[in-house]
Amino acid sequence: EVQLVESGGGLVQPGGSLRLSCGDSGFTSSTYWMTWVRQAPGKGLEWVANIKQDGSEKYYVDSVKGRFTISRDNAKKSLYLQMNSLRAEDTAVYYCATYSSNSGGLVYWGQGTLVTVSS
Amino acid sequence: DIQMTQSPSSVSASVGDRVTITCRASQGISSSLAWYQQKPGKAPNLLIYTASSLQSGVPSRFSGSGSGTDFTLTISSLQPEDFATYFCQQANRFPLTFGGGTKVEIK
Repeated sequence: EVQLVESGGGLVQPGGSLRLSCGDSGFTSSTYWMTWVRQAPGKGLEWVANIKQDGSEKYYVDSVKGRFTISRDNAKKSLYLQMNSLRAEDTAVYYCATYSSNSGGLVYWGQGTLVTVSS
Repeated sequence: DIQMTQSPSSVSASVGDRVTITCRASQGISSSLAWYQQKPGKAPNLLIYTASSLQSGVPSRFSGSGSGTDFTLTISSLQPEDFATYFCQQANRFPLTFGGGTKVEIK
């Protein structure tokens, strides 16, 4: 069974940092582009970042450029999101997902991890 | 960035009804569009990709159509498990962008 599991969420003060992780089991995530998507409480979905299979290409939404870094370690079957200079508006559930470069669809999703930025 | 506009934002319907949700892109995106279903407290689930292709395991009552700027998701006969929020997403270029969502509620 394909499974993605996020971890690392929690409460952090404005200006602080947090590192999210996403581990996979049941499939070879190294063959997929990977994606972070977030959802603020009661709001819609917002794409955050994408990373190519070998990490050679990365893309970010403008609102996180220069603050967030997406990375992966295929040997550890893990995806990461380093989040610095966090703001209240970054409060959301963060999902990792596999991205199909053929179809553009986000096929497999984790259960999400909640990040709360508050003093 | 490509803006995605969904309508309606909510719809009330009964079991067995036909429901149609539309999504409009601010510029042409060919057939690079996906649809997702999300239930409260759960991750989204891919229903349709490349505008009209049914994801494996998704019931055939779901269908998608359109190309260019205008797209439609249709549920041919609404079932109790279909009450949820639906999102479209363009995959034509980065940044990927989502529509605002359509909540399908029980009438």
